[in-house]
Amino acid sequence: GQNIDQPTEMTATEGAIVQINCTYQTSGFNGLFWYQQHAGEAPTFLSYNVLDGLEEKGRFSSFLSRSKGYSYLLLKELQMKDSASYLCAAPIYNQGGKLIFGQGTELSVKP
Amino acid sequence: DTGVSQDPRHKITKRGQNVTFRCDPISEHNRLYWYRQTLGQGPEFLTYFQNEAQLEKSRLLSNRFSAERPKGSFSTLEIQRTEQGDSAMYLCASSPGANVLTFGAGSRLTVL
Repeated sequence: GQNIDQPTEMTATEGAIVQINCTYQTSGFNGLFWYQQHAGEAPTFLSYNVLDGLEEKGRFSSFLSRSKGYSYLLLKELQMKDSASYLCAAPIYNQGGKLIFGQGTELSVKP
Repeated sequence: DTGVSQDPRHKITKRGQNVTFRCDPISEHNRLYWYRQTLGQGPEFLTYFQNEAQLEKSRLLSNRFSAERPKGSFSTLEIQRTEQGDSAMYLCASSPGANVLTFGAGSRLTVL
């Protein structure tokens, strides 16, 4: 079966670093996505990892370990606008790009 | 192109009524997906199209739900005889093949 787990909520301070973890179980592997979703808005693409290791993109980095079924999203120099839900998602192998999502991690950034 | 458009953004209806949502994907994207999202949860897959062909439907999609993409461009999602449990955000996404999904802002349904 397919399953994605991530913490429900996290709180961090402006200017700090936060790591949002995601563990997944999928039949076959086709990469791992992270999306950001502000309240009442569309999810927007942040990152896609298909190989092990860390990929950095400005203040946001994403890490993948395929052997452990584990990923994390690292947010540096947190800003108030980073308060949002962060969704971990995996494509279902051989099913046309269909994604299954975790429940999302609601991040609150406080001054 | 301004991205994926959904209409209406909000719909309030009484139980038992039918509702229809429309999605206009990014024009060169051949794949179109419908998801449902409730508060505090991630999006749940409902169905997807490649061009005009509906390739998969989730078990979540009861026979009261139907989706079409008649000319391989825009899509509609109809819910017949709405129930309170249908209250959710209905998200549409499109992609150029099996690639990054671009989501619309969603259509929020409230069934009274």
